[in-house]
Amino acid sequence: DIQMTQSPSSLSASVGDKVSITCRASQDIGNWLAWYQQTPGKAPKLLIFRASTSQMGVPSRFSGSGFGTDFTLTINGLQPEDFATYYCQQANSFPRTFGQGTKVDI
Amino acid sequence: QVQLQESGPGLVKPSETLSLTCTVSDGSMRNYFWSWIRQPPGKGLEWMGFIYVGGSTHYNPSLQGRVTISADTSKKQISLTLTSVTAADTAVYYCVSQMATVDYFDYWGQGTLVTVSS
Repeated sequence: DIQMTQSPSSLSASVGDKVSITCRASQDIGNWLAWYQQTPGKAPKLLIFRASTSQMGVPSRFSGSGFGTDFTLTINGLQPEDFATYYCQQANSFPRTFGQGTKVDI
Repeated sequence: QVQLQESGPGLVKPSETLSLTCTVSDGSMRNYFWSWIRQPPGKGLEWMGFIYVGGSTHYNPSLQGRVTISADTSKKQISLTLTSVTAADTAVYYCVSQMATVDYFDYWGQGTLVTVSS
């Protein structure tokens, strides 16, 4: 299985901050990576796919980058509704695997 | 837009079988992969497996053959069966769709909490 490791596991930030979350794959996954946002009590929501392509309707402050084994989700100008947990997920091979999550709080 | 609704018992006894149903609205079930993904309370996400209607199934080996996913297109339902459950199977279970032409999970049900306890 491909192991996905996110860092940090949690971070504290303020409205307006720039936040970066890193995801590392245990082997090369090309650009087969997605990012999801989950707020408490809700299902995850797709933000980014193919490492850097934004899903329709996702605010432009969210961006993704990376290729191979190292990936980054960046939020430029954190908004109150962005305080949530973020997960990366590899789509290179089965079984599909997720990172352990990064909780962004105030 | 696909809408998904999970249903089933919220409490299952240890060693018994967990059975959930996902009802699909708005659209055909064909040309989609239908997955189940679970999340233990306070923990991360685990992909359990998928079914491609009219084609294949693929399961997470971590579940050691305990999982079966099936589809009933006439009822527009996806079913999950997990046998020999233990407390470690306590989780929110999500029904999730993925268009066959893409590589990400695009629509998620609201999830249903299943607790394994005697």
